[in-house]
Amino acid sequence: DQQVKQNSPSLSVQEGRISILNCDYTNSMFDYFLWYKKYPAEGPTFLISISSIKDKNEDGRFTVFLNKSAKHLSLHIVPSQPGDSAVYFCAASGGGFKTIFGAGTRLFVKA
Amino acid sequence: GAGVSQSPRYKVAKRGQDVALRCDPISGHVSLFWYQQALGQGPEFLTYFQNEAQLDKSGLPSDRFFAERPEGSVSTLKIQRTQQEDSAVYLCASSYISGTLNTEAFFGQGTRLTVV
Repeated sequence: DQQVKQNSPSLSVQEGRISILNCDYTNSMFDYFLWYKKYPAEGPTFLISISSIKDKNEDGRFTVFLNKSAKHLSLHIVPSQPGDSAVYFCAASGGGFKTIFGAGTRLFVKA
Repeated sequence: GAGVSQSPRYKVAKRGQDVALRCDPISGHVSLFWYQQALGQGPEFLTYFQNEAQLDKSGLPSDRFFAERPEGSVSTLKIQRTQQEDSAVYLCASSYISGTLNTEAFFGQGTRLTVV
């Protein structure tokens, strides 16, 4: 039972354009969401987070949107750069110590 | 070092062998997490320590898995009688904040375990 789903295994975007990565969740108890970026042979690196009291959080080129009624969040990267090519994981938590990760979306940014 | 260090980086074990994976967290970090990442999947929670106390071990897949952090710093994840389904990358993360993964939690590079 996947509580956090990233339905697109991969996404290809031209350099300079917007990348939109999507994530859906099923557990209404989740109140904190994170996005991680992962390069090959490295551990995940924290990118941006949002709590359920907000619907948007922005950090430079990265913006996360949260739609609680739809149980959906998205990560926008504008403008996309070749160095953004990586696997992006959506993750969620709500009480306790466990964070649930999606399966990831591989982003390719073409120069 | 400045980051979370895991050793070994790669481990090949014969089925039935016991293995021990080490995590050196960032100095002073009270929280330590272990996650398991199978090929093509996201990380899955195994266990959480706050200092030396193991507060949540609900993600350990079987009683073959055991984790400890006796002095509240270095942690060891031990897998007894390894099986092929144990093949995965084992990730450790630490944070100075107690609780779930957060903005101040950092992952190590992981240990890739292959059971043959």
